[in-house]
Amino acid sequence: KNEVEQSPQNLTAQEGEFITINCSYSVGISALHWLQQHPGGGIVSLFMLSSGKKKHGRLIATINIQEKHSSLHITASHPRDSAVYICAVSLRLSGSARQLTFGSGTQLTVLP
Amino acid sequence: DTEVTQTPKHLVMGMTNKKSLKCEQHMGHRAMYWYKQKAKKPPELMFVYSYEKLSINESVPSRFSPECPNSSLLNLHLHALQPEDSALYLCASRWGNTEAFFGQGTRLTVV
Repeated sequence: KNEVEQSPQNLTAQEGEFITINCSYSVGISALHWLQQHPGGGIVSLFMLSSGKKKHGRLIATINIQEKHSSLHITASHPRDSAVYICAVSLRLSGSARQLTFGSGTQLTVLP
Repeated sequence: DTEVTQTPKHLVMGMTNKKSLKCEQHMGHRAMYWYKQKAKKPPELMFVYSYEKLSINESVPSRFSPECPNSSLLNLHLHALQPEDSALYLCASRWGNTEAFFGQGTRLTVV
């Protein structure tokens, strides 16, 4: 079983719809990250959460530490939001080093 | 400067070639990472450098050789690669338990 499970794997929405992507994890973490990857490769960090909720523009991320669950919401979705959204958890390695363990990603397509 | 810069963006190499990928950041981050990403898969961790020392080597074949010459620079030396090594190679950096910054990646094709 993967340490990080994301759902759905693929999501198609109409422009303007409210979108939710879910992430569950099975290990103790120091933080959870939501990342965005466009075709062409580069990954952009959207949020880093260790508790509660964060908002940036039309994006909202929440985390429930007790339930080991996080959600990414996109309000008023737009075709430019089409990308792969990846949930990743931060695990301590040795010393101060940490690694990110990634979920499998959600391919979001927003149609005009 | 909040960028991680990777060069080259694209690389085609033969199985007998030696090449290097370069990653640079000037944010003072002391942890730097190499990831390998195949199409439609999440990134897989290859190496972690912490304070310029190799912390983690995720059982990567010796044809991949990382190097961290200073706190801003991370190299990945490639030698005698196989076609299955073709992938997107991503570099990332962090300071402690903070936000991770990723480069745009090098798309490697081994022919």
